[in-house]
Parts: sequence; C-alpha cells; structure tokens
Amino acid sequence: DAKTTQPPSMDCAEGRAANLPCNHSTISGNEYVYWYRQIHSQGPQYIIHGLKNNETNEMASLIITEDRKSSTLILPHATLRDTAVYYCIVRETSGGSYIPTFGRGTSLIVHP
Amino acid sequence: GAGVSQSPRYKVAKRGQDVALRCDPISGHVSLFWYQQALGQGPEFLTYFQNEAQLDKSGLPSDRFFAERPEGSVSTLKIQRTQQEDSAVYLCASSLAVGGRGDEKLFFGSGTQLSVL
Repeated sequence: DAKTTQPPSMDCAEGRAANLPCNHSTISGNEYVYWYRQIHSQGPQYIIHGLKNNETNEMASLIITEDRKSSTLILPHATLRDTAVYYCIVRETSGGSYIPTFGRGTSLIVHP
Repeated sequence: GAGVSQSPRYKVAKRGQDVALRCDPISGHVSLFWYQQALGQGPEFLTYFQNEAQLDKSGLPSDRFFAERPEGSVSTLKIQRTQQEDSAVYLCASSLAVGGRGDEKLFFGSGTQLSVL
C-alpha cells in the first residue's frame, strides 16, 4: 500500500501558483519524499525530491514540514502544460532495496 | 539512447496468447523496475533488477508473469496465456544507482499499452 495521501484532484488558474499537498505521516527517518508527474500517454517524469530540507529546482519547489509528516509541491507559475497527475511517493524498503510505491496521485487541471 | 525506450508502444493480443515486452534502460543504469498501470490508477510495482539479478518480484500478479535481464541491460517482461485482466500499460524505469539507496531518481519509458481481447 502507498504510504502517502493526496487529494484526488485540484485545479489552478494559469499563471498562479499551484500548491499540491501530500501527507506521509508514517515516513521514517531515512526515507526520501519524491514527486513525479504523469502527462497523458507518457511515463511518469521526475520533478523533485527531498529528505528534510526544502528544495527548489527549475521545475518546482518542495516544502517539507519540520516533523516530515507532510510536504507541499509548489509550481510557482502554472501553465496549461502542467496539467497532469502528480504523484508524491516515499521509497519503501523491501529486502534492503528501496521500491518506489505510487498511489493514485492528484490530478491537477490548469485552466486559462 | 537519451532515455528509456520501450517496445512495442502498443500490443494487441488474443486471450491465451503469449507476449513479450522490451525495455532498453539508459546506458549504465544499474537499477531497473517494471510497473503495471491500469486505467485511472497509479503505477503498481511488479519487479526490480539490480544489474542482472532480480532482487524483488513480489509484485508479479501470477506465475504467468516472468521478467529477465540476462546481461544487466535490456529487460524483457513476458506474460504467458494472457487474460483480459492483463490489459494495462506496462512501464519500465531505470536509475543510475543501486536500489539500496533512497536518493536516486527514476527515469521512465513511455510504456507499452497491452490490450487483451
């Protein structure tokens, strides 16, 4: 079972910030939080990841709460091309290996 | 190649037919994952390779599913005696590092859409 909880859908106006929340209350100390997105008919695309510090790259920012039980992905200026399903995942361990487990994600619709 | 390549892009099979799905990971990537994605669902883990070793196959739904990566690069997912419930998109992903670490990102292919009639 996925260890994260996300709202099933959100919408956002083009040009505005999109803030996508994720709960991961059972995360352990050495598990990273990853965000991927999946545009229709494509494979998931990596966005960003973090352990406990906030992270920023050219695509997005990741804010992780101090207790690490939740995080928010921020798309600062959403465009129509950001319409996609966004997955928040933590890497689960299985026999010593980390297996990325996906839930159903958040379907983000960016409208004009 | 520049990314993960999967073939065929689409596959239509008659129920009971065997199919083979191919994944070419990014050159040099150690870890390789297979996922199954049903319509409207997130990707479901099937199996994981570290080089040629299949370290985890706990997600394979039945013994009709078999995966291999004999030389530690190209991988093949084989489904024997396909059933209608096998219809899904099959995604392959690779990463540079060993799966024992938690901080490496995955690169996904575009998937193979399998339809079993």
